[in-house]
Amino acid sequence: DIQMTQSPSSLSASVGDRVSITCRASQSISNYLNWYQQKPGKAPKLLTYAASILQSGVPSRFSGSGSGTDFTLTISSLQPEDFATYYCQQSYSAPPYTFGQGTKVEIK
Amino acid sequence: EVQLVESGGDLVQPGGSLRLSCAASGFTFGSYNMNWVRQAPGKGLEWVSHITRSGNTTYYADSVKGRVTISRDTAKNSLYLQLNSLRAEDTAVYYCARIEQLVSPNYYAMDVWGQGTTVTVSS
Repeated sequence: DIQMTQSPSSLSASVGDRVSITCRASQSISNYLNWYQQKPGKAPKLLTYAASILQSGVPSRFSGSGSGTDFTLTISSLQPEDFATYYCQQSYSAPPYTFGQGTKVEIK
Repeated sequence: EVQLVESGGDLVQPGGSLRLSCAASGFTFGSYNMNWVRQAPGKGLEWVSHITRSGNTTYYADSVKGRVTISRDTAKNSLYLQLNSLRAEDTAVYYCARIEQLVSPNYYAMDVWGQGTTVTVSS
């Protein structure tokens, strides 16, 4: 099975900061990579798919990039509502739908 | 409104059984593959099971294989997860999620999620 590793596990940032989260696959997954946002007590929400395509309704400050094994989710200017946990998930060889372990974005 | 609503979570003793349900509305349920995903307290997301739109093909995570059965009833717009031989490590919030092909070919993602139902395994 393909393993997904995110870094960092957590980060502290201020409103207005540019934030980047990295996701690495254990083998090449082309651009079959999705990102989700989860707020405490809530269900995950799809942010991007196919590595870089923004889901409808997602603010343009979010962007995804990468291909092969290395991917990045970037928030260009962090907003108060962006404090959450972010997960990557590969869809190249699924099932199983492998998730990264998550990156918690906290307020500095 | 496109919606998924889970139910059936409960406190159950180790070795017990539980059946989770997921009611779909606002879309053609029979046209979508579906997943169950769980999240243990304070932990990340773990895929549990997948069922194709026809219901003919199912997949399971190794952690639940042999103890869990996924099924669906298109006439009732419902997805189910039968949990047997429950263990403490099955304690989690269980989400159902719709799988959408967002880009052709084969770019799938879970675009609609329910609010989750809580399973607690404890004596």
